[in-house]
Amino acid sequence: DQQVKQNSPSLSVQEGRISILNCDYTNSMFDYFLWYKKYPAEGPTFLISISSIKDKNEDGRFTVFLNKSAKHLSLHIVPSQPGDSAVYFCAASDSGAGSYQLTFGKGTKLSVIP
Amino acid sequence: DTGVSQDPRHKITKRGQNVTFRCDPISEHNRLYWYRQTLGQGPEFLTYFQNEAQLEKSRLLSDRFSAERPKGSFSTLEIQRTEQGDSAMYLCASSFVTGGSEAFFGQGTRLTVV
Repeated sequence: DQQVKQNSPSLSVQEGRISILNCDYTNSMFDYFLWYKKYPAEGPTFLISISSIKDKNEDGRFTVFLNKSAKHLSLHIVPSQPGDSAVYFCAASDSGAGSYQLTFGKGTKLSVIP
Repeated sequence: DTGVSQDPRHKITKRGQNVTFRCDPISEHNRLYWYRQTLGQGPEFLTYFQNEAQLEKSRLLSDRFSAERPKGSFSTLEIQRTEQGDSAMYLCASSFVTGGSEAFFGQGTRLTVV
């Protein structure tokens, strides 16, 4: 059973517009959430994170929103740039479990069209 | 370069052979993780170390897999009697031992079992 779900395998956005990537989770014990970006043949690169005590975290063009009641988070990229084209993974961890291992979704491939 | 380093980047082996991968984490990081990623999936947790102690292993880690982190610095992941199903990207990550600490990934080792 997938505890972290990214239901959109792909997303295309025009350069300069907003990209919104969505993620849902089922495990209510998750209390820390992260977004990673991955280019082909490379490891994931950390982008931004959010703790469950917050509902929003911003870092430059990237903002992550967390809706705990809906078990949903989203990543907003504004404005989108061609260099943002990559696969984006949502990940979650349960700090109470001690290991901080990450549970990943399957990813969303973002294509930013110039 | 002070990031997570993995060696080799690519490995092709015949079924039944043993392989060993190496990971050098970010030097100040106490935690080291191994993940595996197959095509179309997000990374899946295999095991993690805090310093030299291996504290958790996923059920994905069969008896043919063994990981070590002698002296709490670099780590090795060995796969014995490789099978075609072992073909995947093996990712190493490291992080600090604090709540909500982001894990930083290496570029991965791509294993192909023929």
